[in-house]
Amino acid sequence: SQTIHQWPATLVQPVGSPLSLECTVEGTSNPNLYWYRQAAGRGLQLLFYSVGIGQISSEVPQNLSASRPQDRQFILSSKKLLLSDSGFYLCAWRHGSYNEQFFGPGTRLTVL
Amino acid sequence: QQQVKQSPQSLIVQKGGISIINCAYENTAFDYFPWYQQFPGKGPALLIAIRPDVSEKKEGRFTISFNKSAKQFSLHIMDSQPGDSATYFCAASFLSGGYQKVTFGTGTKLQVIP
Repeated sequence: SQTIHQWPATLVQPVGSPLSLECTVEGTSNPNLYWYRQAAGRGLQLLFYSVGIGQISSEVPQNLSASRPQDRQFILSSKKLLLSDSGFYLCAWRHGSYNEQFFGPGTRLTVL
Repeated sequence: QQQVKQSPQSLIVQKGGISIINCAYENTAFDYFPWYQQFPGKGPALLIAIRPDVSEKKEGRFTISFNKSAKQFSLHIMDSQPGDSATYFCAASFLSGGYQKVTFGTGTKLQVIP
């Protein structure tokens, strides 16, 4: 069966510090991968998606970036965090032949 | 046109009652309509989904009703239980340029009271 992991689970960072969030998927190959952000009490905002290694598309211009160095690894980064980057970051995967998206457990990021 | 409007924002239901959450969309390109359940501090979990060629889909106590002409769909939770207390998101998606473009509703916080 497929599983999706996110690391770390929680993170508290000062404004201006760098960020690296990791997402890995097990049990499938060549998944479509997604990064979402969920603000408190709000819906999900798509940040990035990837259909393959090195292929990243951005939905919203911001100070975040994403990379896909391996087939089942998706990384969300920032060089300098802003207060507005605080939120719940969710990674999701989808098999290319199916519609269903499956979410990871999320990373709670607080920028102080 | 990409929006999915979800209502109500919050809902309180007695145990054993029926919870109903509604969503409406504009883009007729949407061809897949999932519902997600999210508990506090957890990632959303896929609950049930429907395609527009079906008017209703039932899985256990959860039913999606779909009205293609009205561009509306709803989630019904029968015999609601305290364990159903969570935030529910509707979504609508279609394939664009080789990837699935998903638009989420803003969520409904459901509280089922004993």
